[in-house]
Amino acid sequence: QKEVEQNSGPLSVPEGAIASLNCTYSDRGSQSFFWYRQYSGKSPELIMSIYSNGDKEDGRFTAQLNKASQYVSLLIRDSQPSDSATYLCAVKRDSSYKLIFGSGTRLLVRP
Amino acid sequence: ETGVTQTPRHLVMGMTNKKSLKCEQHLGHNAMYWYKQSAKKPLELMFVYNFKEQTENNSVPSRFSPECPNSSHLFLHLHTLQPEDSALYLCASSQGQGGHYGYTFGSGTRLTVV
Repeated sequence: QKEVEQNSGPLSVPEGAIASLNCTYSDRGSQSFFWYRQYSGKSPELIMSIYSNGDKEDGRFTAQLNKASQYVSLLIRDSQPSDSATYLCAVKRDSSYKLIFGSGTRLLVRP
Repeated sequence: ETGVTQTPRHLVMGMTNKKSLKCEQHLGHNAMYWYKQSAKKPLELMFVYNFKEQTENNSVPSRFSPECPNSSHLFLHLHTLQPEDSALYLCASSQGQGGHYGYTFGSGTRLTVV
């Protein structure tokens, strides 16, 4: 079983729609959860972090965490073509330096 | 610029060459990391340094040799690599264990082994 699982996609949505990206993780001791965006040929860029169950909103982005189900999601409202990228889910224990990544979901926003 | 600078951006090396990758962070962070990113695979953590002390070596082959002379600089020395080592090598840094702010990544070095 992979430590962090994501659907590789591509997830294709029309411009203006809501894009929903999902991630599951296997370590119940995970305490911090991150979403990174990676454009082709570029390095990962942190866009959201979440630590408590529930929702966290930042602009057009909402991260959702359900520790009981070991599930993290990222919603992107009013999707723009510039949101087209690979989105990486990452998790870690607070006692560890080790940030564990999923393989990423490729998002395509059609104009 | 993210505050983490990696050089060179691209590197092509033969299997018998020796080369080094360099990373420098200007964020005042205490921890630095090397990650490997291969096509269709998750980022793989290779090494972790905290205040220039190695805290993690993720079963990386000895042909990869890290060096951390201080909290701002990190090197990855490469020798007798294999074609399957071709990948994007990413350096990252964090304050503490990165629990609340995650890691900041450099732009990476695209390595091709021929």
